[in-house]
Amino acid sequence: EVQLVESGGGLVQPGGSLRLSCAASGFTFRTYWMSWVRQAPGKGLEWVAKIKQDGSEKQYVDSVKGRFTISRDNAKNSLYLQMNSLRAEDTAIYYCAGYGVPYGIDIWGQGTMVTVSS
Amino acid sequence: QSALTQPASVSGSPGQSITISCTGTSSDVGSYNLVSWYQQYPGKAPKLVIYEGSKRPSGVSNRFSGSKSGNTASLTFSGLQAEDEADYYCCSYASSGTYVFGTGTKVTVL
Repeated sequence: EVQLVESGGGLVQPGGSLRLSCAASGFTFRTYWMSWVRQAPGKGLEWVAKIKQDGSEKQYVDSVKGRFTISRDNAKNSLYLQMNSLRAEDTAIYYCAGYGVPYGIDIWGQGTMVTVSS
Repeated sequence: QSALTQPASVSGSPGQSITISCTGTSSDVGSYNLVSWYQQYPGKAPKLVIYEGSKRPSGVSNRFSGSKSGNTASLTFSGLQAEDEADYYCCSYASSGTYVFGTGTKVTVL
């Protein structure tokens, strides 16, 4: 079964840090571009970051540049998102996502909730 | 990196055809035929229904079709069904190498 399972979400104070993890199974992880997509409570989807199959290319939405870092470990079939200097507006469900078709996300995790609040 | 513009809601009766628009700029929708569309039920992860503008993933109903004209992409439902009631989001590749989602449209089946 193709699966992405996120972990690492929780409650953190403004200015704090959190590291999200995503474990992939059931497909050849090392051949996929991967992304993180988030959704604030009651709001729409927002693309956050992407990383190439070998980790050599990374892109971010402007609002997280310099604060978030996407990375991967193909040997462990895992994707990560290091989030620093967290703000209230970063509060959202964070989805791990895989591009199984050109420019389209056809594999989604169930999401992990991140709440930034004092 | 402003969100693509979608109507907040669209409704139709069973069997009817409806269309959701997705308006971007010459830096995203207008420059590439690389728009994807996602269906999302409440409390669930999104599901891909269209990619590369008009291609359907395996297993997705052929009632869904995608198209593009200028800076506007569209998702059309032919023969609306009760299970189509959900939120729908477009997403486009952008010239910066990033992606941008639309504002989302709630589809209601009357």
